[in-house]
Formats: sequence, structure tokens, C-alpha cells
Amino acid sequence: EAQVTQNPRYLITVTGKKLTVTCSQNMNHEYMSWYRQDPGLGLRQIYYSMNVEVTDKGDVPEGYKVSRKEKRNFPLILESPSPNQTSLYFCASSLQDRVTYEQYFGPGTRLTVT
Amino acid sequence: AQSVTQLDSHVSVSEGTPVLLRCNYSSSYSPSLFWYVQHPNKGLQLLLKYTSAATLVKGINGFEAEFKKSETSFHLTKPSAHMSDAAEYFCVVSDMNTGFQKLVFGTGTRLLVSP
Repeated sequence: EAQVTQNPRYLITVTGKKLTVTCSQNMNHEYMSWYRQDPGLGLRQIYYSMNVEVTDKGDVPEGYKVSRKEKRNFPLILESPSPNQTSLYFCASSLQDRVTYEQYFGPGTRLTVT
Repeated sequence: AQSVTQLDSHVSVSEGTPVLLRCNYSSSYSPSLFWYVQHPNKGLQLLLKYTSAATLVKGINGFEAEFKKSETSFHLTKPSAHMSDAAEYFCVVSDMNTGFQKLVFGTGTRLLVSP
């Protein structure tokens, strides 16, 4: 089944403790992206990647890192999480970066930083 | 800069009645417009998209939307609501001129469907 998977689905952590949220897709997509969803703000893009080893900042990149060493994986790294990073995170992928291609979203990771 | 405004944060309808979710956009170039749906505890699913072809776009589950350039609107409609339509709906714009996947999301409209 074609899908985008994220792990973990739920995470509660403390301020400053490094964490990684994994994202994997099995559709051989070139384009991958991370979003955060906050009440009343919709989804905002954190980082995106147009292909292996090619990443760039989205609208809200502060406090986050990403890497794209393999085509299928695009982990999101929080080196020193803070409470304002408590949010619902979505990974998405698309065949290419052109807008005519649909983005497929993962199920989401709910992160709470205390 | 592109933006979308979803005019209602919540819409309540009865099952079997029409659904109207309103969206206005702002874009300097020819936009691509999308509607995504998010069911509780699920990821986002594409309902339909407009990319400069027919202005009336049909999507999944009986939804459709009409692109009106003169009104800068892309409202989502469905003739008859079903209980399973209860979800959050996002209007999304992207810059067709550059063609890149720069999606800008609206703040969402929660659709409530009562029996």
C-alpha cells in the first residue's frame, strides 16, 4: 500500500531533550516536506526537500533540522525542544516538486514539550 | 504573497442538506487551489484541485468547487451532507507561476453534521 508513515504518533518530552520524528514514504517520491499544525493557524511548512541531499527552509524553520540521506526518509530533528514546539506535525511527499502533483500526507505526530 | 481566507471557522448542517464552505484567495499569479479534508486523528486527504483547467472542479465524495477569478473565491460545495463528511476542511493555494509545491494553507473550517 502506498503510504507515508511517521513515528512516533504521540510523544511527550521535556524541554531540551533532543528528539527525532521519522518520516518514510514507499512511493519513490522526490519531494518531501514537514508541516506543523496549530489551532487557528492551519498548516505551516517547516522544511522541504526536492531530492536526496537537497533541503531548504519553509516558513517556520527555527528550532528544527532535517536531513535527506535516502530518497524514502526525511526525519525531523529537534535538537533542543521547547514548549512552543508543542504541535501536531505532518510529513508529506509528492512525486515531484511541481504543484500539479498531489501531496500525500502522513497520519501526524502529536508532540508535547513540557 | 499568496494567502487564503476561510471565512468560517465552524459550519453546522443537518444530514441531507447542502454544504457550503467558503474560501477567498489572494495571489499575484495564476493560482493553483486545493481543498483538503482532515478526519479526526487522520492525515490530510486531497478532495479536489484547480490548476487552470475547467473552473468547476469535481472531487471525491460528491464535493465540488468553482474557481471564480472575479470574486477571488474557491468555495467548496456538496448538495447533500452525510454524517461521514464531519471533518476539518482546508483551502490551500499554490503559486502556479513558479509551479513549485509552495502550499499556503487556510486556517480551516470544521464541518459539523447533525442527524
